Amino acid sequence: ETGVTQSPTHLIKTRGQQVTLRCSSQSGHNTVSWYQQALGQGPQFIFQYYREEENGRGNFPPRFSGLQFPNYSSELNVNALELDDSALYLCASSLDVTSGVSSYEQYFGPGTRLTVT
Amino acid sequence: GENVEQHPSTLSVQEGDSAVIKCTYSDSASNYFPWYKQELGKRPQLIIDIRSNVGEKKDQRIAVTLNKTAKHFSLHITETQPEDSAVYFCAAYGGSQGNLIFGKGTKLSVKP
Repeated sequence: ETGVTQSPTHLIKTRGQQVTLRCSSQSGHNTVSWYQQALGQGPQFIFQYYREEENGRGNFPPRFSGLQFPNYSSELNVNALELDDSALYLCASSLDVTSGVSSYEQYFGPGTRLTVT
Repeated sequence: GENVEQHPSTLSVQEGDSAVIKCTYSDSASNYFPWYKQELGKRPQLIIDIRSNVGEKKDQRIAVTLNKTAKHFSLHITETQPEDSAVYFCAAYGGSQGNLIFGKGTKLSVKP
C-alpha cells in the first residue's frame, strides 16, 4: 500500500450542494493530482497542484477547485453538485514534477466514492 | 491533446496462459508510460512503467514494450494466475498537457 490517504471513504450529497474531499500525500511528495473515475472508465485528470499552486488543469469546469497545504495535504472542492459528478475521486501524489521523467511516478490514494442524488 | 486508446476492453484467459493488452497514444511528446492494476473497490496500483528511452522492461511475469515510431505500447503477463484478474489501465504522460492520460481499461479474467 502507498502512503496516500483520502477521506471520507464514501459520501452522499444532494444536487446543488457543495463537497470537500481530502487527501494526504506520501511524505516528501510535493505534487498532487486529482482524478475523477466514473464507473467502468479510466481516471480523468481534474487538476494538479505543485508547491501549493495549480500546475495544470483538465477539462473540468471552474466549480471544481482545489487547495494544497504545506503539510502534504490537499483538498478538492466541488460546488453546485450535479448528478454526473457521482464518481470515485482519486488523488495521486508524486515527487517534484519539475524534476523530469524520473519523478513522473504517481501513487494513488484509495479514493472517495461520491454519490449525488 | 493526448489521446490513449486501449484494447481489448475485456480479456479472458485460462490460468497459465499469457495475456497481452495494447495501447496507442497520439502525442509524440509523451515520454512516460505506466500501467496500473485496479481490483474491484480498490485504488489503481502501479505495476510497471517504461520511459521513452527504453524499448522493453520486465519484472518477473510482467513485461512492457514500447514502439515510439508507431506510438504504441503493450503489457504482457505470462503464466497468468487467478489473482491477476482485475482491470488494467495504461496511461501516457509528459506530452503537451503534462499529466497522465488514461486508457479506458481492460478487464482481465483468469479462469482456474
